[in-house]
Amino acid sequence: RKEVEQDPGPFNVPEGATVAFNCTYSNSASQSFFWYRQDCRKEPKLLMSVYSSGNEDGRFTAQLNRASQYISLLIRDSKLSDSATYLCVVNLLGNNAGNMLTFGGGTRLMVKP
Amino acid sequence: DAGVTQSPTHLIKTRGQQVTLRCSPKSGHDTVSWYQQALGQGPQFIFQYYEEEERQRGNFPDRFSGHQFPNYSSELNVNALLLGDSALYLCASSPFGTRTKSGANVLTFGAGSRLTVL
Repeated sequence: RKEVEQDPGPFNVPEGATVAFNCTYSNSASQSFFWYRQDCRKEPKLLMSVYSSGNEDGRFTAQLNRASQYISLLIRDSKLSDSATYLCVVNLLGNNAGNMLTFGGGTRLMVKP
Repeated sequence: DAGVTQSPTHLIKTRGQQVTLRCSPKSGHDTVSWYQQALGQGPQFIFQYYEEEERQRGNFPDRFSGHQFPNYSSELNVNALLLGDSALYLCASSPFGTRTKSGANVLTFGAGSRLTVL
């Protein structure tokens, strides 16, 4: 079983649609959670951190369910520019955890006109 | 302010050869991590360097080695290349000891070095 699992998609949605991605992680000791965005043939870039209380950044809302070990990302009013691969990322914090991020395989989103 | 820079951007090697990839961290960052991203997969952690020492290592064989220099730049070396080593190699830097609200460092990634092994 992969440590971080995501539906690879692709999710094909029309502009203006609402789309949601889920991700599950296997290590219950994971402490930090993130969504990264990666455009084709580019490097990953941090989209948002995910907090236990849930958090929102404009059209993007992230949720964390520690009991079920899943993380979600909701995108409202999708734009063409949202087309990308969304990577779910967890970090096992500890004395030596540092920046050893564990990435899911990514979910590809394609927003169509 | 220059971000993370990596070189070369693309390279082609043959099986059995050795390769060295280079990374200059973002200004003000002293910690460098390396990730391997195979086509269609998420990045996988290789190792992290801080104060010129390897601090953490992922599940990669000894063929993968690295180095960090006093100016914080870093190299990734891969010996005895295999076809399966073909991937995008990403370098990420961060300022050690700086935490986000969630308690983890936020990395800045370079654009990567795309290695093809024939």
